[in-house]
Amino acid sequence: DAGVIQSPRHEVTEMGQEVTLRCKPISGHNSLFWYRQTMMRGLELLIYFNNNVPIDDSGMPEDRFSAKMPNASFSTLKIQPSEPRDSAVYFCASRGAGGGAFFGQGTRLTVV
Amino acid sequence: AQRVTQPEKLLSVFKGAPVELKCNYSYSGSPELFWYVQYSRQRLQLLLRHISRESIKGFTADLNKGETSFHLKKPFAQEEDSAMYYCALSLTGGFKTIFGAGTRLFVKA
Repeated sequence: DAGVIQSPRHEVTEMGQEVTLRCKPISGHNSLFWYRQTMMRGLELLIYFNNNVPIDDSGMPEDRFSAKMPNASFSTLKIQPSEPRDSAVYFCASRGAGGGAFFGQGTRLTVV
Repeated sequence: AQRVTQPEKLLSVFKGAPVELKCNYSYSGSPELFWYVQYSRQRLQLLLRHISRESIKGFTADLNKGETSFHLKKPFAQEEDSAMYYCALSLTGGFKTIFGAGTRLFVKA
């Protein structure tokens, strides 16, 4: 297994544009997490899914953020419209029964 | 409320010195604790978990339920240990995992 795969690795976009981040979890893992990492706030849990169902989205900062998991092998995090303060590294992680979470390489988002 | 506290943002030690990265948690349920490491510009990687009671790269961590702590220790720090270290708490059922703010360890030659 190639691990958790995120795309794109880097994204630079203009304020107001829609941004979609993608994640492919490890096959067989039934939990998926989206985190945001910034210097100021550290690692924040945005939302997590279990068996493709969103369990807790209390960490999603605003209505501009939305996440979906249409099937066990794919999830998206969308920001619409994007703002400069959304600039951060966004990590996706997946976890199976027991064990720790496995993280993707992250998407470095820059909104100018 | 569940919380993970890492009181030190930065810890700087000399090579060969002992190192201890502190982690305290707040959770009324049965906790599952982890340490993750993030080397420069890389993904977070699981370092160890309390259930396994293992030693990885010379690091160990013991869960102290009385003190609600899960400090990470290594007797002799190496330069390659320089990284960001995150303590994490998984809630009962294993779904939600929350992280501390992280401690940056800098090992000086």
